Amino acid sequence: AIQMTQSPSSLSASVGDRVTITCRASQGIRNDLGWYQQKPGKAPRLLIYGASTLQSGVPSRFSGSGSGADFTLTISSLQPEDSATYYCLQDYNSYTFGQGTKLEI
Amino acid sequence: EVELLESGGGLVQPGGSLRLSCAASGFTFSTYAMVWVRQAPEKGLEWVSSITDSGGTTSYADSVKGRFSISRDNLKDTLYLQMSGLRVEDTARYYCAIRVIIAGTYIEYFHHWGQGTLVTVSS
Repeated sequence: AIQMTQSPSSLSASVGDRVTITCRASQGIRNDLGWYQQKPGKAPRLLIYGASTLQSGVPSRFSGSGSGADFTLTISSLQPEDSATYYCLQDYNSYTFGQGTKLEI
Repeated sequence: EVELLESGGGLVQPGGSLRLSCAASGFTFSTYAMVWVRQAPEKGLEWVSSITDSGGTTSYADSVKGRFSISRDNLKDTLYLQMSGLRVEDTARYYCAIRVIIAGTYIEYFHHWGQGTLVTVSS
């Protein structure tokens, strides 16, 4: 099974900061990776699919990059509403989520 | 507006059974693959099971294989998850979501999630 290692597990940043979250797959997964945001008590929300395609309606401060085994989610200018837990999800072979990154603003 | 409404959760003893439902509306249910994803209390997300649009192909996480069964009724626009042999470690909120597959590519993602239904396995 493909393992997804997400880092950091938590981070604290300020409004306006640029933040990067990484996900590393245990093997190459092409660009079969998505990023999801989950706020407390809410269902996850799709942010990015295909490693770098921004889902419609998601603010442009969110971006994704990477291919193969290493991927990043970048938030270019943090807003208060970005406080959430972020997960990567590989869909190359079955499905595996990263363990999550809790972002505090 | 797309809506997914899960139901059927509750408290069940270890070894017991439960059937979850996910009622879909606002889209053509029969043309989309669907998934179940769960989240144990204060833990991360775990994919549980998937089913194709016709229901002809299903897949399961190793942790539930042989105990859980996914199905759908395209006439009722409803997705199901039959759970048996429940274990304490199956305690979680169970979400259904649409599995979107971009035609002509291998790109897919989970979109439009329900709010989940809580399953608690305890004696």
